[in-house]
Amino acid sequence: NAGVTQTPKFRVLKTGQSMTLLCAQDMNHEYMYWYRQDPGMGLRLIHYSVGEGTTAKGEVPDGYNVSRLKKQNFLLGLESAAPSQTSVYFCASSYLNEQFFGPGTRLTVL
Amino acid sequence: QQPVQSPQAVILREGEDAVINCSSSKALYSVHWYRQKHGEAPVFLMILLKGGEQKGHDKISASFNEKKQQSSLYLTASQLSYSGTYFCGTDSGYALNFGKGTSLLVTP
Repeated sequence: NAGVTQTPKFRVLKTGQSMTLLCAQDMNHEYMYWYRQDPGMGLRLIHYSVGEGTTAKGEVPDGYNVSRLKKQNFLLGLESAAPSQTSVYFCASSYLNEQFFGPGTRLTVL
Repeated sequence: QQPVQSPQAVILREGEDAVINCSSSKALYSVHWYRQKHGEAPVFLMILLKGGEQKGHDKISASFNEKKQQSSLYLTASQLSYSGTYFCGTDSGYALNFGKGTSLLVTP
């Protein structure tokens, strides 16, 4: 039982490049989330999903897109990366009221 | 709307007590508490539901005053393992709004 996994763990992009972050969970959870964490800012919600095929915007959705084609996977896409998107990205899934977080992806945009 | 946490940071000696506060400008149905150790993912500590119920997790407990829209996390007889950043999360439909966090350092 791996819980929540994220791929990749680290990535460096140049401004304007695109990439996709993958989140996978094996707990059969309906709800999944993408957060970004910046120093002194806490965890800010980017997008979330309440079930397969559904997505919704969070607090800071601009510059990101998401897809939930399969229940166990939640993808976060950056179409044209900007230095302001340098951050640590956490994925989470939830059962009832507890959120389970993945180990995070550290993304640097030069 | 992001809840407000205080203090931003606290340094304790092992065995001392601490209180972390979380307040919101809107009505709350629940407050969630998470702890994140350096370089790791946040981990769920507890949830408090409307009704002023107090919960506990080891020597960490919390209260929730829905009239004041506030929650407090109490760390009693702190241990070195309590060091980390504590986040409160308030309900926002299907998701949570997290505060900016309180950094707690417990020294020997």
